[in-house]
Amino acid sequence: GEDVEQSLFLSVREGDSSVINCTYTDSSSTYLYWYKQEPGAGLQLLTYIFSNMDMKQDQRLTVLLNKKDKHLSLRIADTQTGDSAIYFCAETAVRRGGSQGNLIFGKGTKLSVKP
Amino acid sequence: DSGVTQTPKHLITATGQRVTLRCSPRSGDLSVYWYQQSLDQGLQFLIQYYNGEERAKGNILERFSAQQFPDLHSELNLSSLELGDSALYFCASSPRPRGRGSGAKSPLHFGNGTRLTVT
Repeated sequence: GEDVEQSLFLSVREGDSSVINCTYTDSSSTYLYWYKQEPGAGLQLLTYIFSNMDMKQDQRLTVLLNKKDKHLSLRIADTQTGDSAIYFCAETAVRRGGSQGNLIFGKGTKLSVKP
Repeated sequence: DSGVTQTPKHLITATGQRVTLRCSPRSGDLSVYWYQQSLDQGLQFLIQYYNGEERAKGNILERFSAQQFPDLHSELNLSSLELGDSALYFCASSPRPRGRGSGAKSPLHFGNGTRLTVT
């Protein structure tokens, strides 16, 4: 496909793990990113992974990368109500029209955390 | 706080009008990117500047233009506004142009956006 794809909604209970999935398009993307957007705020970089890695862990966040399937996931352990936000997956856009390194974003997954 | 400052936070204007959105990048960042976020289109890349020069263009309409000044701040000009231009406009910055061989890990840092409402 031509777009970075994510499911639009995810609902979990506080304390559970959340897994947000993303399918990206360009196998030559060097870095893949996860951004978080809280209501009324800009995009906050959460984490990123280099394409030669399978996994990256950063405190409660775990990123898994399957290059063969162009699949990226973000796992949030012990999800808290403060994690409620929209999460965006992004890939580099180097292959598209020669533009130098802007990011292509998915439409975002809205995570709702119920107490 | 990302260090990227955008003004104004909110802007309400009428169709046919022209507005200017302003962005100050993080200290030391030379690249500025503009994105438009709307409900139906998601986040769309508009244009990128590096050290005063245009580097890349995305889905930017001809009615829109941008520039980056010697002090590295950037302005996005939107003219002949239409109802469909209502959106959140984000500015982002990074230290250098991003590409495969030149610091592609350098992430974009986003401002809090300008919410434009065209009535």
